Amino acid sequence: DGGITQSPKYLFRKEGQNVTLSCEQNLNHDAMYWYRQDPGQGLRLIYYSQIVNDFQKGDIAEGYSVSREKKESFPLTVTSAQKNPTAFYLCASSIGVSGRYEQFFGPGTRLTVL
Amino acid sequence: DQQVKQNSPSLSVQEGRISILNCDYTNSMFDYFLWYKKYPAEGPTFLISISSIKDKNEDGRFTVFLNKSAKHLSLHIVPSQPGDSAVYFCAASPYTDKLIFGTGTRLQVFP
Repeated sequence: DGGITQSPKYLFRKEGQNVTLSCEQNLNHDAMYWYRQDPGQGLRLIYYSQIVNDFQKGDIAEGYSVSREKKESFPLTVTSAQKNPTAFYLCASSIGVSGRYEQFFGPGTRLTVL
Repeated sequence: DQQVKQNSPSLSVQEGRISILNCDYTNSMFDYFLWYKKYPAEGPTFLISISSIKDKNEDGRFTVFLNKSAKHLSLHIVPSQPGDSAVYFCAASPYTDKLIFGTGTRLQVFP
């Protein structure tokens, strides 16, 4: 049963703490993405990776970091430098980066920073 | 600079009638367009797509129209059903680059 998993679904952290969001896929996709959704702002790209050990900044990368050590995994760290970290975070994957390839999304993680 | 715009944040339609969701883009290099549907607290799911060589693509109750000269695409849902109530995102990309998403339109289908 292929798909993308994100854990946890809800996450609470204190201000000033780093937090890592998990994303795993078993679709054998090369490309993976992290998006942030805020009310009225749509889906904004944080980071994406076309292949293992390679990743590029998206539109709102400041205050975030990623790694891509395995094809299946693309964790996102929200650092204390991110000014407004409370949001709904979505991970996605696709065969390749081209828009011709459908992106499959995980269920999302809602992060609340107190 | 919002390259993909959905100017209507919300739309309310009666069950059985047509829903029309609109999307405008600014980049003439975009050649592939997709619509995604999203329920609250879930990830978006792919709905329908169209390439720039076509002006219409149909899949059951869903039809996407592309007007390249106007840089405009629309999603038609006929007939609308209560289960269609969700946020709809349009997205666009040049052939070899990543998708850019619009801000979304919340569709509510009422009985």
